[in-house]
Amino acid sequence: DAEITQSPRHKITETGRQVTLACHQTWNHNNMFWYRQDLGHGLRLIHYSYGVQDTNKGEVSDGYSVSRSNTEDLPLTLESAASSQTSVYFCASGFDRGLGGEQYFGPGTRLTVT
Amino acid sequence: GQNIDQPTEMTATEGAIVQINCTYQTSGFNGLFWYQQHAGEAPTFLSYNVLDGLEEKGRFSSFLSRSKGYSYLLLKELQMKDSASYLCAVRRGGGFKTIFGAGTRLFVKA
Repeated sequence: DAEITQSPRHKITETGRQVTLACHQTWNHNNMFWYRQDLGHGLRLIHYSYGVQDTNKGEVSDGYSVSRSNTEDLPLTLESAASSQTSVYFCASGFDRGLGGEQYFGPGTRLTVT
Repeated sequence: GQNIDQPTEMTATEGAIVQINCTYQTSGFNGLFWYQQHAGEAPTFLSYNVLDGLEEKGRFSSFLSRSKGYSYLLLKELQMKDSASYLCAVRRGGGFKTIFGAGTRLFVKA
């Protein structure tokens, strides 16, 4: 069965360190997204990609970067982790056709920056 | 700008009907989604509306009025497992970028 996975599921890191969160999908979706979810804010879009070599900034992209070298993966990198980046991170993917672009979410990564 | 408003919390009784409202203000509206998210889990897709009217899918229905910037999610025959957060999300423009509301936490009591 097709799926979307994230790793690690939990991560504790120190301020200033570089951190990379992995996202891998086997749906063969063109669209991939990264969100963070914080209490009171809902899901906020960090970066997104509509295909290989395509990346775009979302509403809260400062301090984050992504790269899309193949269809299956969209790793999210925190260049220099800050305490404000403590959050739950969700990756999602979706087709660019069909019902309207609904997204399928990974299980999430809980990141704590100390 | 863009803004999505939905109630923070709602409580309903098992077996009853509940309506969760969502109002939005956005340019380039191109569809509205509802997602369900149980505590500690990922959101899952429930429904999509792009034209005015009601879309029914089993116990769940979703309504859209584009002129009023308004949608609701209707849950019938509530079950305890329906206790979750319900996220309203709007797709803007020709791309697939989606903006989410903060979500409504629904508590279903016996």
